[in-house]
Amino acid sequence: GESVGLHLPTLSVQEGDNSIINCAYSNSASDYFIWYKQESGKGPQFIIDIRSNMDKRQGQRVTVLLNKTVKHLSLQIAATQPGDSAVYFCAEGPGGYQKVTFGTGTKLQVIP
Amino acid sequence: ETGVTQTPRHLVMGMTNKKSLKCEQHLGHNAMYWYKQSAKKPLELMFVYSLEERVENNSVPSRFSPECPNSSHLFLHLHTLQPEDSALYLCASSQGQGGEKLFFGSGTQLSVL
Repeated sequence: GESVGLHLPTLSVQEGDNSIINCAYSNSASDYFIWYKQESGKGPQFIIDIRSNMDKRQGQRVTVLLNKTVKHLSLQIAATQPGDSAVYFCAEGPGGYQKVTFGTGTKLQVIP
Repeated sequence: ETGVTQTPRHLVMGMTNKKSLKCEQHLGHNAMYWYKQSAKKPLELMFVYSLEERVENNSVPSRFSPECPNSSHLFLHLHTLQPEDSALYLCASSQGQGGEKLFFGSGTQLSVL
């Protein structure tokens, strides 16, 4: 069946370096992809999204890349800061009024 | 502050207790959701309400009973839960009912003894 997964459960990054968090998906019909950040003691917080008609989208210090050929999604965080320490989830869905499916999450640890 | 408030933040209950989780959204959204978050598992969608009508019940046991009295409030009534129901229960809202760009509350950490 369809699944959304992450290559690495934990990622440690030096403060100031760039972080790359990867996500694989298996549903080729997925049209909409989202990244959420969940800090300790809080609910997930929307970071950035991308639709399947795009392969790159940039936000403030974050970039999402979509490779539909290999069904791969990544989140790049520039100049990683201690406040970026959190669990990051990718989610995918067919778009429209259909629910999204979440991955298991990658924990990002920023080393001061 | 995401505009979605959940109470209580923590709850410990016995298997014979009845308790309720409360969620309120201040964003003017039309859809509200209950999710279950367990350790090392993906977020599990439980219920979806759109314009106060339940549009999805994701095969959730009847010991979980949702209630949506208006578009700003959502409850999850709990009765005779099992220890395996211990988890973080998250409420979310969105403009539509598709789950796009969800706004989550901080959750209720539930422990069933």
